[in-house]
Amino acid sequence: DIQMTQSPSSLSASVGDRVTITCRASRNIISYLNWYQQKPGKAPKLLMFAVSSLQSGVPSRFSGSGSGTDFTLTISSLQPEDFATYYCQQSYSSPFSFGQGTRLDIK
Amino acid sequence: QVQLQESGPGLVKPSETLSLTCVVSGYYISVGHYWGWIRQSPGKGLEWIASIDHSGSTYYNPSLKSRVTISIDTPKNQFSLTLSFVTAADTALYYCARLPFDDSDNWFDPWGQGILVTVSS
Repeated sequence: DIQMTQSPSSLSASVGDRVTITCRASRNIISYLNWYQQKPGKAPKLLMFAVSSLQSGVPSRFSGSGSGTDFTLTISSLQPEDFATYYCQQSYSSPFSFGQGTRLDIK
Repeated sequence: QVQLQESGPGLVKPSETLSLTCVVSGYYISVGHYWGWIRQSPGKGLEWIASIDHSGSTYYNPSLKSRVTISIDTPKNQFSLTLSFVTAADTALYYCARLPFDDSDNWFDPWGQGILVTVSS
């Protein structure tokens, strides 16, 4: 099975900050990497698929990069609605696994 | 706009079978896409369980495969999950979700609101 490891596990930042979250796969997943945002009491929401393709309706301040085993999610200028937990997910091979999450809260 | 809604019992006894249904609105599941179940628990985080397409083609998480069945009912526009011989470790928030139109990739969007299932006597 492919293990997904996110860092950091939690992060405090301020509105307007640029934030980067890292996701590492235990083996090469090419570009089969997706990102989700989850707010308390809500289901995860797809932000980005295939590393850097923004899901419809997702603001352009979100961007993704990487390939192989190392990937990043960047939020260019944090907005109040961005404080949430973020998960990466590999869709390269079954079982399709998720990272443990990165909690982003207000400093 | 496609929407998914989970339903089922919130409490299941150990060793019994958990049965959940996901009703899809705003899209005819007979048209296409894969459909799946994911669960979330404090101990294991997010865990993909199984997926199915409109024709009934299935694939399962190997760690759960021996206990899981996913099925689809296109006339009722819904799909279902059964998980047998449950234990406390199966206590989780269960989500249904749509996957892409074909099996070229496996991301989940959108998701249902989730249903909390507790395994306890």
